[in-house]
Amino acid sequence: DVKVTQSSRYLVKRTGEKVFLECVQDMDHENMFWYRQDPGLGLRLIYFSYDVKMKEKGDIPEGYSVSREKKERFSLILESASTNQTSMYLCASSLGHSNTEAFFGQGTRLTVV
Amino acid sequence: QKEVEQNSGPLSVPEGAIASLNCTYSDRGSQSFFWYRQYSGKSPELIMFIYSNGDKEDGRFTAQLNKASQYVSLLIRDSQPSDSATYLCAKRGASKIIFGSGTRLSIRP
Repeated sequence: DVKVTQSSRYLVKRTGEKVFLECVQDMDHENMFWYRQDPGLGLRLIYFSYDVKMKEKGDIPEGYSVSREKKERFSLILESASTNQTSMYLCASSLGHSNTEAFFGQGTRLTVV
Repeated sequence: QKEVEQNSGPLSVPEGAIASLNCTYSDRGSQSFFWYRQYSGKSPELIMFIYSNGDKEDGRFTAQLNKASQYVSLLIRDSQPSDSATYLCAKRGASKIIFGSGTRLSIRP
């Protein structure tokens, strides 16, 4: 079974803090994704990566950055957390072919106070 | 215009009936499409994927794709209470996967 593991299930951070969300997959997938999910807005793509050290912006990259130094690990960084970044964050991974699906981690519920 | 559009619902269907979920997309270059089911508090899980025009069936689920009209649909036959969830439509291009906002489905006994 594909396993995508996010480092924390729940996280509470203060405004202005630098926040790291970590994601690890064990299936040698080329593609990795970070989404945030908010009520009524569905999953919105923040950033994705199609190879080590390669990244592309998604639909809502402002206030976020990412790092992919190893194939299995994709990190989402909130440079200076703000209350409007309170959300559910979902990491996913997939093979690099267009006909393959994404597998999701369990999600991280981030609250910024 | 959103890249993937879905009616947010809720869609209420009696148990045993057919539930019909629809999705439209704006990019004609989209190559493949997915339907995910998400229970409250859980991560999305894949139900179906389709990349050719026409129908694809898997058990009680049928996905339909019409690239000329740019819509994808999901039919759930013999709906069960356990089918109550949010259904997310997604499209995939060369690399990224874009999701719609989801349709909440409720199966009433």
